[in-house]
Amino acid sequence: DVKVTQSSRYLVKRTGEKVFLECVQDMDHENMFWYRQDPGLGLRLIYFSYDVKMKEKGDIPEGYSVSREKKERFSLILESASTNQTSMYLCASSPEGRTPYEQYFGPGTRLTVT
Amino acid sequence: GIQVEQSPPDLILQEGANSTLRCNFSDSVNNLQWFHQNPWGQLINLFYIPSGTKQNGRLSATTVATERYSLLYISSSQTTDSGVYFCAGGETSGSRLTFGEGTQLTVNP
Repeated sequence: DVKVTQSSRYLVKRTGEKVFLECVQDMDHENMFWYRQDPGLGLRLIYFSYDVKMKEKGDIPEGYSVSREKKERFSLILESASTNQTSMYLCASSPEGRTPYEQYFGPGTRLTVT
Repeated sequence: GIQVEQSPPDLILQEGANSTLRCNFSDSVNNLQWFHQNPWGQLINLFYIPSGTKQNGRLSATTVATERYSLLYISSSQTTDSGVYFCAGGETSGSRLTFGEGTQLTVNP
């Protein structure tokens, strides 16, 4: 079974803090993704990575950065957290070059910025 | 990019009823998935179905790729089926997914 884990289920941070959200997958997947989910807006892609040290901007990258130093780990960084970044953050991974190209999601991190 | 439209946005059923959820895509997709989001927020994979028909217990799905839509069927619904159902599509095989806004399903006992 594919397993995607995220470092925290719930997180509370203060405005201006630097925040790290970690995601680890154990299926040797090439692709990894970070989404955020907000009521009425659905899931939106922040960043994705198709290889180690590679990254691509998604639809809403502003205020975020990412790091992928190892294949299994993809980190989302909020350089200076703001209240409008309060959200549910979901990490996913999928294989490249072999079917099925199914994305698997972690349990999510509910981040509150006060 | 691809636009994904789900219908209906909300659905209320009595336990034991059947239902059909629909997903329309603005363009062709090579990657299509259905998910169920449980009350704790976890997205559970239901089907990977870029074309054809699949069944898993009381759930089945059909994708008609040439007409750019997919259907999720839930038969003999149970209260545990409640939650939000998402479809999502991608233009290329391993690429990013674009999600619909979801169908909120409530199954009453």
